[in-house]
Amino acid sequence: SQKIEQNSEALNIQEGKTATLTCNYTNYSPAYLQWYRQDPGRGPVFLLLIRENEKEKRKERLKVTFDTTLKQSLFHITASQPADSATYLCALVKGNNDMRFGAGTRLTVKP
Amino acid sequence: KAGVTQTPRYLIKTRGQQVTLSCSPISGHRSVSWYQQTPGQGLQFLFEYFSETQRNKGNFPGRFSGRQFSNSRSEMNVSTLELGDSALYLCASSWLAGEETQYFGPGTRLLVL
Repeated sequence: SQKIEQNSEALNIQEGKTATLTCNYTNYSPAYLQWYRQDPGRGPVFLLLIRENEKEKRKERLKVTFDTTLKQSLFHITASQPADSATYLCALVKGNNDMRFGAGTRLTVKP
Repeated sequence: KAGVTQTPRYLIKTRGQQVTLSCSPISGHRSVSWYQQTPGQGLQFLFEYFSETQRNKGNFPGRFSGRQFSNSRSEMNVSTLELGDSALYLCASSWLAGEETQYFGPGTRLLVL
């Protein structure tokens, strides 16, 4: 069966360090992958999209990699700040707009 | 530009009742998708509407239904509520169906007692 796993439920890091979140999948062939940020009581906010033929995407302090051989995406936040504390969701999308979300990783950045 | 709005934000119902949730997409967006989010199952796709037609449907029972109006506003209905229907219901809009970037609303928190 199709499975999407995000490395851990929670990740705690110190301010200024790089946060690395993992999204692994099995039995799925996504056309692209997205990362979202979700704050408590709010809807997810789109951050980055990376396609199956792309290796890396960057946006300010954010970087996403996508390895279709390993079936894995890594999401990095460099120079992390307490304001980056949130839950981060990965979403895999097939060509027919079949979208599946991971359970999310709750990131806490401590000052 | 106003974002996606959802009403009501919070709702308490009892088992067996039905509920209707509303979503107003970003102005100009014609596609609306609905999702259910629970701690156990995460975010799951319910259905997508575009130009008043359901284009995609997730794996949910027939008690879950929706519709879209000519102004792109959408409603979803859940009949014969069960305790397990307690969740955050999110809608997301985009310009076109199947568009890569969706904009989510704040959600409606439904509690079924």
